Amino acid sequence: QVQLVQSGAGVKKPGASVKVSCKASGYTFTDYYLHWVRQAPGQGLEWMGIINPIGGSTNYAQKFQGRVTMTRDTSTSTVHMELSSLRSEDTAVYYCTREGVIVERVFDSWGQGTLVTVSS
Amino acid sequence: QSVLTQPPSVSGAPGQRVTISCTGSSSNIGAGYDVHWYQQLPGTAPKLLIYGNSNRPSGVPDRFSGSQSGTSASLAITGLQAEDEADYYCQSYDSSLSGWVFGGGTKLTVL
Repeated sequence: QVQLVQSGAGVKKPGASVKVSCKASGYTFTDYYLHWVRQAPGQGLEWMGIINPIGGSTNYAQKFQGRVTMTRDTSTSTVHMELSSLRSEDTAVYYCTREGVIVERVFDSWGQGTLVTVSS
Repeated sequence: QSVLTQPPSVSGAPGQRVTISCTGSSSNIGAGYDVHWYQQLPGTAPKLLIYGNSNRPSGVPDRFSGSQSGTSASLAITGLQAEDEADYYCQSYDSSLSGWVFGGGTKLTVL
């Protein structure tokens, strides 16, 4: 079955960077785009960006451009999301999620989420 | 402020029917981009509930249904059960933003 298993994060200081990883299994890694979505405490879902696992091309939400970098490693079927210049407002649960193929632009599988806390 | 607008909360008694609205604009729902719905139980990741405006993934009870018209969409839940208590999010794509967008979420309380 499809699995997205996340790792990384924890507590970071303001101004630091954080890298969250997402290892995919149960399907052909290069067949599906992967996205990152975050959720601040008690808040809604916010789309951050997309990565194409074939060539590694990305498209980031304007809000995060210049601060976020998404990469992939096809040898390990893993995508990474690095967010820099962290501030308290970046405290959130970060999810990786897979975009469907037959139905476009839908998120059909989600990782378990990774909590990033930004605090001095 | 979310691009898609949902009511913050809805409630209903067990067995009743509730609906959750999702209002967008001409650059997302009105442009023909599909609406998808997710259920998020407390402390868990979102789960796909309805895709392509009105389709249920395998395993989702037929008590859940979706519809779309113009720049809006709706999620209906019939025969409300205690286990339906969760947050519900609509999602689409926005051509002006060139990105994926969500509603602010609706908390469903089963009385």
